[in-house]
Amino acid sequence: GAGVSQTPSNKVTEKGKYVELRCDPISGHTALYWYRQSLGQGPEFLIYFQGTGAADDSGLPNDRFFAVRPEGSVSTLKIQRTERGDSAVYLCASSFGLAVYNEQFFGPGTRLTVL
Amino acid sequence: GNSVTQMEGPVTLSEEAFLTINCTYTATGYPSLFWYVQYPGEGLQLLLKATKADDKGSNKGFEATYRKETTSFHLEKGSVQVSDSAVYFCALSALTGNQFYFGTGTSLTVIP
Repeated sequence: GAGVSQTPSNKVTEKGKYVELRCDPISGHTALYWYRQSLGQGPEFLIYFQGTGAADDSGLPNDRFFAVRPEGSVSTLKIQRTERGDSAVYLCASSFGLAVYNEQFFGPGTRLTVL
Repeated sequence: GNSVTQMEGPVTLSEEAFLTINCTYTATGYPSLFWYVQYPGEGLQLLLKATKADDKGSNKGFEATYRKETTSFHLEKGSVQVSDSAVYFCALSALTGNQFYFGTGTSLTVIP
């Protein structure tokens, strides 16, 4: 079946604007994760959902970042009043379950550039 | 806390050379360990994993053994190919449902 998809693939915005990044996980995967990857670094955790609820949002850097998953499938990461430091690749991943051994399947990412 | 320390790159090898990329970890509990690979222009994909001590993960000629005594999960391949050129990430998952912790990645270039 289809893998994890993310839209848009690239987003250029101006400082202070609002952006939304969308993730469509693999069908049947209950867990969904958002990561942020800066240049030359590994992905860093932002938030994860089990079903519709955010089970752990401890990685969100501040209250400008928010994510939802209203029907337990598609998720949207929302960033208000964007700053240049928000520029990065935002990755979404999904997994079948929450066990520590479960593989996470990653989408291709959204490259966000804040001018 | 949980963290992964990965060998810094970039690494450049000739085709058919032996590859080792070092990875050590710090974790609470009993983590699972993963190697992900990112080919140019593509997303992260799982290369191999090991879920308990002394397990060996293997795929596409790559291997890594979960060593609890040295807290390591080094990636090896006996004979690299040009098509193995990519960025390799070591990662751990330490708590049920929780996030992955990634290393900084090691860029590998294999030249003919």
